Amino acid sequence: DTGVSQDPRHKITKRGQNVTFRCDPISEHNRLYWYRQTLGQGPEFLTYFQNEAQLEKSRLLSDRFSAERPKGSFSTLEIQRTEQGDSAMYLCASSLEGRVSEQYFGPGTRLTVT
Amino acid sequence: AQSVTQLDSHVSVSEGTPVLLRCNYSSSYSPSLFWYVQHPNKGLQLLLKYTSAATLVKGINGFEAEFKKSETSFHLTKPSAHMSDAAEYFCVVSGSGTYKYIFGTGTRLKVLA
Repeated sequence: DTGVSQDPRHKITKRGQNVTFRCDPISEHNRLYWYRQTLGQGPEFLTYFQNEAQLEKSRLLSDRFSAERPKGSFSTLEIQRTEQGDSAMYLCASSLEGRVSEQYFGPGTRLTVT
Repeated sequence: AQSVTQLDSHVSVSEGTPVLLRCNYSSSYSPSLFWYVQHPNKGLQLLLKYTSAATLVKGINGFEAEFKKSETSFHLTKPSAHMSDAAEYFCVVSGSGTYKYIFGTGTRLKVLA
C-alpha cells in the first residue's frame, strides 16, 4: 500500500495520560499535515511540515501538543496530560511541494479519552 | 482570512436524480478549491480541485463543480445519484500564502432507493 498510513487506528486512554500517534506519508511527499476532526465537524488544521521543518501551527495546538518530523519522513503527534476534550479523530495528510498540490489523507487515529 | 460555507448540512436525493451540494467561499486572494468525500470509517478522498485554470472542473465518479467568482461559489453536482454516493462531502479552500486546508462543516448526502 503506497498511501498515507497512521498508527494506531484507535486509542483509548485515561485522562491525564500521554499518547503518541504516528503518520507515514507517501514516500515522495515532502509536506505533511495534521488535522483534528470532532464528531459532526470538518477537519481543523493543527500543523504542517515541509521536510523536517514545522512551518505553521494552529492556535488549536496548545502547549500540551507537540509534533515532530525528525528526518523528513514519518511524523509523530504527542498529546501530554490528555483531557476529555482531546477526544477526536486525528488525521494526517501529505502532499508534494507546489502551490496547488492536493493533500492525500490517511485513515486517521480515533482517540477516546475516558 | 479564508473560509467556506456549506449551505446544507443534509441533502437527500432519490437514486438516479441529480445531486447539488452547495459551497460558498471567502478569500482575499485567488483561491484553490477542492471537494473531498468521506465514507464511513474511510479516509478523505479527493473528488476534484480548482486551481485557476478551467472554471468547470470534472472529477471522479461523474462529479463536477463550477467556479463562479462573481457568486463566490463552488457547487458540486452530479447528473444521476448512485447508492454508493451516500457519504459526507467537504468543500475546502486553500491558498493565500498557506498550504493548510480550511474545511467546511460538511454535507451529508443520503441517496434513497
